[in-house]
Amino acid sequence: AQSVTQLGSHVSVSEGALVLLRCNYSSSVPPYLFWYVQYPNQGLQLLLKYTTGATLVKGINGFEAEFKKSETSFHLTKPSAHMSDAAEYFCAVTLREYGANSKLTFGKGITLSVRP
Amino acid sequence: NAGVTQTPKFQVLKTGQSMTLQCAQDMNHEYMSWYRQDPGMGLRLIHYSVGAGITDQGEVPNGYNVSRSTTEDFPLRLLSAAPSQTSVYFCASSYNDRALETQYFGPGTRLLVL
Repeated sequence: AQSVTQLGSHVSVSEGALVLLRCNYSSSVPPYLFWYVQYPNQGLQLLLKYTTGATLVKGINGFEAEFKKSETSFHLTKPSAHMSDAAEYFCAVTLREYGANSKLTFGKGITLSVRP
Repeated sequence: NAGVTQTPKFQVLKTGQSMTLQCAQDMNHEYMSWYRQDPGMGLRLIHYSVGAGITDQGEVPNGYNVSRSTTEDFPLRLLSAAPSQTSVYFCASSYNDRALETQYFGPGTRLLVL
């Protein structure tokens, strides 16, 4: 079985500040991990994904995430927040043995607000 | 290239009514899926299809029906709407069901059941 935990439902940062959105996963076997972003009144869009290889993954819009097996974490970061980053962010996991979109488990989501 | 399109954008139903949510993609994707999004619960998979004529249940299939007669279209039917089905519904597609393939999401349908 697999699950993801996104602690808290809302994060607020100032423009230009570091963005850190936390995601912890639970799986008994190696996972594939994903971050999706949902802008207001839109569908989800893939930000980045970790499958195998390099544990630091770079995505679109300056975001990156690091897979830390020892901490079972896949936290999303961006060095400098922009007003356009305000959105809801979802972490998702599937087991590598399935490797299927139909086996994705999504977290509850975190709303990011950016203050001018 | 329109991507994934969904209609309607918003719908109000009375309890017991039926309706069909439409989803279409023009990317020749084999895999299509339906999710519902509820506050504080993330996205949950309702039904999915790995190709024309093939459908399967996801995590929360009760009260919903699907069919896949063409590669492009994947409608979701609510047989007898209930207030618990008030939600935002997203359709998604990818080249195949492999998680290495990026899923593309439609803009969603907001459904209110009174």
